[in-house]
Amino acid sequence: DAKTTQPPSMDCAEGRAANLPCNHSTISGNEYVYWYRQIHSQGPQYIIHGLKNNETNEMASLIITEDRKSSTLILPHATLRDTAVYYCIVRVGDNYGQNFVFGPGTRLSVLP
Amino acid sequence: GAGVSQSPSNKVTEKGKDVELRCDPISGHTALYWYRQSLGQGLEFLIYFQGNSAPDKSGLPSDRFSAERTGGSVSTLTIQRTQQEDSAVYLCASSFDRLAGGETQYFGPGTRLLVL
Repeated sequence: DAKTTQPPSMDCAEGRAANLPCNHSTISGNEYVYWYRQIHSQGPQYIIHGLKNNETNEMASLIITEDRKSSTLILPHATLRDTAVYYCIVRVGDNYGQNFVFGPGTRLSVLP
Repeated sequence: GAGVSQSPSNKVTEKGKDVELRCDPISGHTALYWYRQSLGQGLEFLIYFQGNSAPDKSGLPSDRFSAERTGGSVSTLTIQRTQQEDSAVYLCASSFDRLAGGETQYFGPGTRLLVL
């Protein structure tokens, strides 16, 4: 039972920023927000995760609202290779043994 | 560094045969998970290993499924008497047991199993 809501699909022009929203209004104080993506026929790829502060790495930025009820994954300069299904997951961060529950995600199409 | 590797990448078998799927986790990762993903579906948790502790087998769909993890590293998922409904992508993930910062699971490329 995924605790997140994401739009089923989005388009983005190549070279532009892709902003993928996620609603997690029932998130608990000890739950992290994780983002993974799955490119066709490959295993899920970890992108980024955060608790309450905004995070940035070489792949993306994660913006979490102050009330933590929603977040946005930002791919600053989308390329065709970023076309994938993007999953937003909330999960207790240090609860080892708890599997990640992947919902339907957002299918991002980067267009030339 | 090297990521999670799985073998074989593809496996075609006949109904009723046994299959073994292998996972090599990232070196030093103490936790290992098996999932499966049917066509167009989400991930289904199968089993979890943490160090030398007894595995969490709560996700295994039937007693035809079993898994081992030898020496706290390599894991093998065995499916006995395969059925057509076992056809799926079997994914392995590993993570490093650390005290804070949130566990991150890193996934392998998967093994695509087709039971004819």
